[in-house]
Amino acid sequence: GAVVSQHPSWVICKSGTSVKIECRSLDFQATTMFWYRQFPKQSLMLMATSNEGSKATYEQGVEKDKFLINHASLTLSTLTVTSAHPEDSSFYICSASFRPEAFFGQGTRLTVV
Amino acid sequence: QKEVEQNSGPLSVPEGAIASLNCTYSDRGSQSFFWYRQYSGKSPELIMSIYSNGDKEDGRFTAQLNKASQYVSLLIRDSQPSDSATYLCAVNGRPSGGYQKVTFGIGTKLQVIP
Repeated sequence: GAVVSQHPSWVICKSGTSVKIECRSLDFQATTMFWYRQFPKQSLMLMATSNEGSKATYEQGVEKDKFLINHASLTLSTLTVTSAHPEDSSFYICSASFRPEAFFGQGTRLTVV
Repeated sequence: QKEVEQNSGPLSVPEGAIASLNCTYSDRGSQSFFWYRQYSGKSPELIMSIYSNGDKEDGRFTAQLNKASQYVSLLIRDSQPSDSATYLCAVNGRPSGGYQKVTFGIGTKLQVIP
């Protein structure tokens, strides 16, 4: 299957700081990437859809000014959590579509202290 | 009505038995259907894709699709403790806004008892 690499795998940051998470498609070009958040024992929740060269599309209830998404190239999308707070602590996962299937990055566990 | 529905479980089966996981979807125009396995603390991994009615087998896994009933299932034969995970049903719907969005169910937690 196609390979999606996500970095970092885990990060701890202080409240009020910003954290950037990278998602790369390693062996294919991804016009569209997706960002999910998953709280413990809960299902995946789609946050936004990242489109190369254009603005991201955010799901209802997701603050676009807090979760900044940039899809600068066909192989890289970034999610920046700005002014992070403890309630933003979660497992963030990106995915990219290759043909009809979606492949996931390894996920980033964010802990805000 | 949720777009993709699954029973959250847990579904407990003894080792060696067949585990049957079920999923229904609401968009009759959906074209592609997937099963992902997610271990605790890890991201989902694709284990099966199915695109046409009928059965598709891959090792111990069999995916079944019935578009008329809007139903997709996953059978795991000879279940092993290592199969214990959450299984996510996913559906790739009609293109919207220039892309196709994969919609996930809540996932069914499977426990295989040694």
